[in-house]
Amino acid sequence: EAQVTQNPRYLITVTGKKLTVTCSQNMNHEYMSWYRQDPGLGLRQIYYSMNVEVTDKGDVPEGYKVSRKEKRNFPLILESPSPNQTSLYFCASSWGTSGVRYNEQFFGPGTRLTVL
Amino acid sequence: GQQVMQIPQYQHVQEGEDFTTYCNSSTTLSNIQWYKQRPGGHPVFLIQLVKSGEVKKQKRLTFQFGEAKKNSSLHITATQTTDVGTYFCAGLSYGGATNKLIFGTGTLLAVQP
Repeated sequence: EAQVTQNPRYLITVTGKKLTVTCSQNMNHEYMSWYRQDPGLGLRQIYYSMNVEVTDKGDVPEGYKVSRKEKRNFPLILESPSPNQTSLYFCASSWGTSGVRYNEQFFGPGTRLTVL
Repeated sequence: GQQVMQIPQYQHVQEGEDFTTYCNSSTTLSNIQWYKQRPGGHPVFLIQLVKSGEVKKQKRLTFQFGEAKKNSSLHITATQTTDVGTYFCAGLSYGGATNKLIFGTGTLLAVQP
């Protein structure tokens, strides 16, 4: 089944404790992206990747890191989480080197993160 | 920077009533996509509009892209309880980066049986 998977689905952590949220897709998509969703703000892009070893900042990259060493995986790293990073996070992927201009995005199930 | 606003933020309707959500961009868009997110779920792609003035239909859903490519709308005829969820538009600025969709703030639709 074609899908985007994220782990963990739920995470409660404390300020400053490094964490990684994994994202994997089995559709051989070139483009992958991370979003955070907050009430009243919609979905805001954190980072995106056009292909292996090619990443770029979205609209809210501060406090996050990403890497794209393999085509299927795009982990999101929070080196020192803070309470303002409490949010619902979605990973998404789409095919094609033209990015999202003409291609639908497939979203993972989401990771709900709480930073105390 | 580019902003995409959606109105209303929330709409409550009786089953069978119509529903419309509007999406407005501060800049001209090259294309716009619509997504639906069921409660507790993830966004799911509905449709993409590319041409000025384009109108597309999916059963009871009608999508429009404005002539100036700065606004779009989603209209649902005779809502059903299965239509419950948040509807997002997402657009790419004309001439801007090819890789960054800007999502609207979303419209939450509640349907009372």
